[in-house]
Amino acid sequence: KAGVTQTPRYLIKTRGQQVTLSCSPISGHRSVSWYQQTPGQGLQFLFEYFSETQRNKGNFPGRFSGRQFSNSRSEMNVSTLELGDSALYLCASSPGGGQRNTEAFFGQGTRLTVV
Amino acid sequence: SQQGEEDPQALSIQEGENATMNCSYKTSINNLQWYRQNSGRGLVHLILIRSNEREKHSGRLRVTLDTSKKSSSLLITASRAADTASYFCATVILNNAGNMLTFGGGTRLMVKP
Repeated sequence: KAGVTQTPRYLIKTRGQQVTLSCSPISGHRSVSWYQQTPGQGLQFLFEYFSETQRNKGNFPGRFSGRQFSNSRSEMNVSTLELGDSALYLCASSPGGGQRNTEAFFGQGTRLTVV
Repeated sequence: SQQGEEDPQALSIQEGENATMNCSYKTSINNLQWYRQNSGRGLVHLILIRSNEREKHSGRLRVTLDTSKKSSSLLITASRAADTASYFCATVILNNAGNMLTFGGGTRLMVKP
């Protein structure tokens, strides 16, 4: 089985721009979650999608948004980029549904640098 | 915000020694998981322990969970240089509808050959 694929791997954007990151989960997985990792704040949960519906949302401003498509692929968008949005963005997939005690499978991440 | 803290924040040992990392969390949980991360890459799942379990083993890994103290520990026995990485605990909060993970701050482990 192919793993979780995140594109692009690296991205450099200018303040004020917007960016879209993509995540393809493991085949058959219906839950996709996004995390932001920074040296100062550590790993923080952004949101989780299951069957195209946002199931959980972290404490991030409205500039951060996401969506999930019918094939379970997910995108997250950050508008009006700020320097503090520079981070490693990680996507994780899991079977979802009623299976609570399952591991999450992470992609390699997208390293976003805002200049 | 993070669920809890891990200690130590950094640990340096010699190959062959055991490494112990501790994790504390704040709320009732469904399960607790440990992940490893190499050099800012993706996280790799190591082990999952359910809230009704007290100890679990996987190869050289041993995890304990004390729900009364809201704490967990990860023991890596006979460490190898390849174990050098950051280790994170993560919890799935009880009664949460999904699979949201709340991470601790991590422990940076260095194993010297």
